[in-house]
Amino acid sequence: GQSLEQPSEVTAVEGAIVQINCTYQTSGFYGLSWYQQHDGGAPTFLSYNGLDGLEETGRFSSFLSRSDSYGYLLLQELQMKDSASYFCADYSGGYQKVTFGIGTKLQVIP
Amino acid sequence: DAGITQSPRHKVTETGTPVTLRCHQTENHRYMYWYRQDPGHGLRLIHYSYGVKDTDKGEVSDGYSVSRSKTEDFLLTLESATSSQTSVYFCAISDPTGSYGYTFGSGTRLTVV
Repeated sequence: GQSLEQPSEVTAVEGAIVQINCTYQTSGFYGLSWYQQHDGGAPTFLSYNGLDGLEETGRFSSFLSRSDSYGYLLLQELQMKDSASYFCADYSGGYQKVTFGIGTKLQVIP
Repeated sequence: DAGITQSPRHKVTETGTPVTLRCHQTENHRYMYWYRQDPGHGLRLIHYSYGVKDTDKGEVSDGYSVSRSKTEDFLLTLESATSSQTSVYFCAISDPTGSYGYTFGSGTRLTVV
């Protein structure tokens, strides 16, 4: 089956670095994506990792380790606007059947 | 932003009535999806389409049907709405020849009373 686990809530200070972890238990794993969603808004695609290693996009980076069935999203130089929910999503059901985690609510405090 | 719009944005309906939600895209993407989002469950796939008149079920398809008669439009129908279908519904599109990411519409908040 497909199962993604991520923390439900994380609090971090403005200007700091925060890491949001995602572990998966799937067979036929294909890749992991990350999405951001502000309250009342639509999910927005952030990154995709198909291979082991780090993908960097500005202040956001995403990492994947297939051997550990684990990935994370790293947010640097946190800003208040980064307060949002972050979802990991895997493609093990195929490109057209992405499964989303339940999301991690990040609160950035001054 | 990608051209994807959902209508209506908000709807209140009574139990037992049929409801149709519309998703319209101007990106000519092959794949279109309907998800529902509920607290504690994240986003769950209802149905998806991989082309005109080509659709398939997702994780939570019971009580829902879909149709895609044109590339740009993907309709979600609740044949007889129930209170358990109160949710926020998101449409998404994707292009496998491009990014692996999905682009989501703004959502429809449906309340069944």
